[in-house]
Amino acid sequence: GAVVSQHPSWVICKSGTSVKIECRSLDFQATTMFWYRQFPKQSLMLMATSNEGSKATYEQGVEKDKFLINHASLTLSTLTVTSAHPEDSSFYICSGGQGQGEEEQYFGPGTRLTVT
Amino acid sequence: SQQGEEDPQALSIQEGENATMNCSYKTSINNLQWYRQNSGRGLVHLILIRSNEREKHSGRLRVTLDTSKKSSSLLITASRAADTASYFCATNGAGNMLTFGGGTRLMVKP
Repeated sequence: GAVVSQHPSWVICKSGTSVKIECRSLDFQATTMFWYRQFPKQSLMLMATSNEGSKATYEQGVEKDKFLINHASLTLSTLTVTSAHPEDSSFYICSGGQGQGEEEQYFGPGTRLTVT
Repeated sequence: SQQGEEDPQALSIQEGENATMNCSYKTSINNLQWYRQNSGRGLVHLILIRSNEREKHSGRLRVTLDTSKKSSSLLITASRAADTASYFCATNGAGNMLTFGGGTRLMVKP
């Protein structure tokens, strides 16, 4: 199957700083990328959907000014957590899809963010 | 938001036994997918079943889908210790968005 990478795999940052997480589709063009957040022992919650070249669509309750998403190319999407707080500590997972329709999404390995 | 419920939330079995996990959802779907996640890792796609399909097999996995009851089941036969993981169902609706169930944590004891 197609491969999605994330960088970094884990990051520790201080409260108030910003952190950028990259999501890359390595062997396919991801017209749509999705960002999820997963708290310990919980399921994945969709945060936002981004289409290449357009603004992201955020799920209800997700602050778009806090979680900045950029999908500048068909192989790269970034999530920036601005002014991070300890409650933002979570596992962030991205996935990519190749287009419209009933399709499999390809998931990245996730990024563990810890805010101290 | 989570659409579905999965049960059981946790399941502990002996190696060699079968494991059955169930998933229920609320709205109409294009397809339903099952994923596996090892602790602290990303998701691995296991199987996709379309809304017009009732059953699908892949190796030791068997998935059923009942759209009238809005439910699906995942059966893992002859389980192995390496099957220990969390299993999630996800429904695919409009815009290719996936909505995940709460997950079942499976422990297979050697």
